[in-house]
Amino acid sequence: QVQLVQSGAEVKRPGASVKVSCKASGFTFTTYSIQWVRQAPGQRLEWMGWINLGRGSTKYSQKFQGRVTFTRDTSASTAYMELSSLISEDTAVYFCARDGGSGNWHFWGQGTMVTVSS
Amino acid sequence: QTVVTQEPPFSVSPGGTVTLTCGLSSGSVSTSYCPSWYQQTPGQAPRTLIYNTNTRSSGVPDRFSGSILGNKAALTITGAQADDESDYYCLLHMGSDIWQFGGGTKLTVL
Repeated sequence: QVQLVQSGAEVKRPGASVKVSCKASGFTFTTYSIQWVRQAPGQRLEWMGWINLGRGSTKYSQKFQGRVTFTRDTSASTAYMELSSLISEDTAVYFCARDGGSGNWHFWGQGTMVTVSS
Repeated sequence: QTVVTQEPPFSVSPGGTVTLTCGLSSGSVSTSYCPSWYQQTPGQAPRTLIYNTNTRSSGVPDRFSGSILGNKAALTITGAQADDESDYYCLLHMGSDIWQFGGGTKLTVL
């Protein structure tokens, strides 16, 4: 069955970077894209961007452009989201989701809590 | 920048029917926006209910339906149940492979 398993919670200092992983199983990795979404405590879902797992092409939300990088390791069936220059407002749960096309993001990771605190 | 809009907190009686909508601060939502709907309970990942305007995701009961009503996307829940009490988010494709979530609507069943 399709599964996306994310890395564990992180605590980071302001100004640091964080890298979250999303390990995929149960499907052909390179035939899909992964969307990244975050949710600050008590706030709405926020789209961050996507990576095409086959081509490695990416699209970033303008809000995060220059601060976020999506990568993937096809040999490990794992996608990564790295966010740099962290500030307290980046404290959130970060989710990965498999993009099945036409807005069908049916499979989600369990989420990774990132806390930015001095 | 165009903002995706949803209703403030909403309530429905058990067994009742409720329609949540998803609009734009400027312009109309059409099928070209590929509207999709997600249900989320606290501490959980979102669950896909509807995608591509009106296609139910796998395992979603048929009391959830999607449509375009006027200039907005709509999610209708028929025969509301207690476990439908959740946050509901719409997601729109804004063009150029960019997506945007609405602010979400908290639905109470009482």
